[in-house]
Amino acid sequence: EDKVVQSPLSLVVHEGDTVTLNCSYEVTNFRSLLWYKQEKKAPTFLFMLTSSGIEKKSGRLSSILDKKELFSILNITATQTGDSAIYLCAVTAGANSKLTFGKGITLSVRP
Amino acid sequence: IAGITQAPTSQILAAGRRMTLRCTQDMRHNAMYWYRQDLGLGLRLIHYSNTAGTTGKGEVPDGYSVSRANTDDFPLTLASAVPSQTSVYFCASSDTDRVTEQFFGPGTRLTVL
Repeated sequence: EDKVVQSPLSLVVHEGDTVTLNCSYEVTNFRSLLWYKQEKKAPTFLFMLTSSGIEKKSGRLSSILDKKELFSILNITATQTGDSAIYLCAVTAGANSKLTFGKGITLSVRP
Repeated sequence: IAGITQAPTSQILAAGRRMTLRCTQDMRHNAMYWYRQDLGLGLRLIHYSNTAGTTGKGEVPDGYSVSRANTDDFPLTLASAVPSQTSVYFCASSDTDRVTEQFFGPGTRLTVL
């Protein structure tokens, strides 16, 4: 059974801090790992990672995948209150496109 | 361009009633999915469809059914709702001809009393 574990489950930081969110996985025939941000409604896509060691970057957010150690991290630098959200990690495996999600990390950024 | 729409936005339902949650996408994606999201459990796949005319079971299919008569629509039916089906339901779609992300609808908040 495919498994995705995120840590920590929740995190409270102050504006300006840097945070690292973790995602480890156990899947057969790994295909891709995705990060989503969820505020009040639907998850919105952040990154998709398929290759080890290649950092994806968007503004203050960046992510990298380690396929040997089976994990990914999502970094957020100079956090802002607008970064407060649930961050979801998901993987796809095999020939199908189904996503297996972790439970999510609730990030709260205090002013 | 709407992307994915879901209806209703929210619903309160008596236990034992039948309910269909609607999902429509206009991106011509071949694959569609239904998830439920519960506190502490994350997003769990209920049913999916890789292409029109086919469906498959996800992680938590019991009590739910789906159909995929055409590319755009993927309704989820609760034949006889129970309180444990109180949840937020998200529909999603993706283009499986490429390795791309899934796009999510705005969700339906369902309460079964």
